[in-house]
Amino acid sequence: AQSVTQLGSHVSVSEGALVLLRCNYSSSVPPYLFWYVQYPNQGLQLLLKYTTGATLVKGINGFEAEFKKSETSFHLTKPSAHMSDAAEYFCAVSGGSNYKLTFGKGTLLTVNP
Amino acid sequence: GAGVSQSPSNKVTEKGKDVELRCDPISGHTALYWYRQSLGQGLEFLIYFQGNSAPDKSGLPSDRFSAERTGGSVSTLTIQRTQQEDSAVYLCASTPSFGGTYNEQFFGPGTRLTVL
Repeated sequence: AQSVTQLGSHVSVSEGALVLLRCNYSSSVPPYLFWYVQYPNQGLQLLLKYTTGATLVKGINGFEAEFKKSETSFHLTKPSAHMSDAAEYFCAVSGGSNYKLTFGKGTLLTVNP
Repeated sequence: GAGVSQSPSNKVTEKGKDVELRCDPISGHTALYWYRQSLGQGLEFLIYFQGNSAPDKSGLPSDRFSAERTGGSVSTLTIQRTQQEDSAVYLCASTPSFGGTYNEQFFGPGTRLTVL
């Protein structure tokens, strides 16, 4: 079985500040990890993914995430928040023969001017 | 190219009625997924289609829910005798090929279902 925990249902930052969204996972097989973003009334858009290889993954819009196996974490960061980053962010895991995505509950990011 | 499309975008129905939700995956994508997004439960997997293989229905919450995929393309999710707890956003996603544990799933905009 797989599960994802996103710490903090709501994160608020100032424009230009560091963004840190936390994700911890549980998986009995080597995980594939994903971050998706959802803007209001839209579907999910992939930000970045970790499959194998380099543990620091860079995605779109300046986001990156680091896979830390020892900590079972895959936190999402961005050095400088922009107003357009305000959205809901979902961490997800799949792995082995399990192609289904198991999602965390999501973190709503608010960016203050 | 065109992304995943879903219709209708919004559906309001009365308790006890049947509803059909439609998904058009990206052309050439062989795998198709349905997920449900609700306030209480977050994002949940419902069903998975891959080519002509038998679908994985393990996420369907009750026998009131069913889905089919015709010609390996368009999919319809049917909810019979709708209940208020069925109110949610139903998302469809597709991927280019099997082995999709690491493939990006491309999501449609969803259908917002409200059961009165």
